[in-house]
Amino acid sequence: AQKVTQAQTEISVVEKEDVTLDCVYETRDTTYYLFWYKQPPSGELVFLIRRNSFDEQNEISGRYSWNFQKSTSSFNFTITASQVVDSAVYFCALSATSGGSYIPTFGRGTSLIVHP
Amino acid sequence: DAGVTQSPTHLIKTRGQQVTLRCSPKSGHDTVSWYQQALGQGPQFIFQYYEEEERQRGNFPDRFSGHQFPNYSSELNVNALLLGDSALYLCASSLEISGQGTDTQYFGPGTRLTVL
Repeated sequence: AQKVTQAQTEISVVEKEDVTLDCVYETRDTTYYLFWYKQPPSGELVFLIRRNSFDEQNEISGRYSWNFQKSTSSFNFTITASQVVDSAVYFCALSATSGGSYIPTFGRGTSLIVHP
Repeated sequence: DAGVTQSPTHLIKTRGQQVTLRCSPKSGHDTVSWYQQALGQGPQFIFQYYEEEERQRGNFPDRFSGHQFPNYSSELNVNALLLGDSALYLCASSLEISGQGTDTQYFGPGTRLTVL
């Protein structure tokens, strides 16, 4: 069975602060994919990143960075110098083979509020 | 490049009624998945369609059914609506990759269903 835990329900920061969103996952599969999605108030889930289980290199994209550590089954997401537009719910998801098709399991999400 | 589109945006129904939600996948995608997202929760997988057939199904009753058309668009039908069916229904499209399941899922804006 697959499981994704986002222990932080809500995080509140002031603009320009750095913030890290935690994600811990469980799976018995050796091949799997990890994702982060952003859900602004409009409701649409916006794809941010996909990482496969064989690639533990950290990734940076502008103000966003991701830290994947298989040893702790974590895939954390850091926003540097947060902005008000970063306010949204962020979901971590895990996708592994299940009957031959990868269906992502989502965490419950972390609501990020960035105050001006 | 058109993204995933869904209609209608909002819908209000009463208990016992039936509803049909529609989804057009992102250009080039051939697989459609449907999710239910209750308030404050992560998306829950309902089912996935590929080649006009239901390929995989989550833990949802038979009241939830679907269809995929030759142009890859899809419908989600829910019969005998219950108050608990009130949620955001998200459609996601992806591309089937031979031997690897599907690629990253891209989501539409969702349909907000309210059952009174």
